[in-house]
Amino acid sequence: SQTIHQWPATLVQPVGSPLSLECTVEGTSNPNLYWYRQAAGRGLQLLFYSVGIGQISSEVPQNLSASRPQDRQFILSSKKLLLSDSGFYLCAWSSMDKRAFFGQGTRLTVV
Amino acid sequence: QKEVEQNSGPLSVPEGAIASLNCTYSDRGSQSFFWYRQYSGKSPELIMSIYSNGDKEDGRFTAQLNKASQYVSLLIRDSQPSDSATYLCAVNDYKLSFGAGTTVTVRA
Repeated sequence: SQTIHQWPATLVQPVGSPLSLECTVEGTSNPNLYWYRQAAGRGLQLLFYSVGIGQISSEVPQNLSASRPQDRQFILSSKKLLLSDSGFYLCAWSSMDKRAFFGQGTRLTVV
Repeated sequence: QKEVEQNSGPLSVPEGAIASLNCTYSDRGSQSFFWYRQYSGKSPELIMSIYSNGDKEDGRFTAQLNKASQYVSLLIRDSQPSDSATYLCAVNDYKLSFGAGTTVTVRA
């Protein structure tokens, strides 16, 4: 069966510090991968999606970037965090039938 | 125009009643539609998928799709307090797009 791992579950980082969130998927190959951010009480904002290794599409211009160094690994990064980067970050994968499944999420607080 | 729009909430229903959630989408060529449930502080959980016109039932949940009207709905029958959550409508073409969500509260 397929599983998705996302870590850490919670993170507190100072303004201006770097960020690296990692997501890995097991039990499938060539999944579509997604990063979302959800501000408190708000909907899901699509940040990046990837249909293959090295193929990243950005939805919202901001100080975040994403990389897919391996088929089932998706990384969200920032060189310098802003207060506005606080939120609930979610990684998801989808397969051929377009159903998508989420990781447990990372709650990021920038202080 | 937003890609996926959901009827505004919050929605409060008594226990045992039917909760009705609606969603419209902008791309007439969309083929894959989903409903997710998200409890407070948790990640979204897939509860229904629908790909063709008509109704699809799974337990107390029924999804309805009308491609001509670009409309997807979710019915929750015999609503329970455990159904209290935010329900997200999603369309997955080349990317997975979500509506803003509708918060449902089931009153005991």
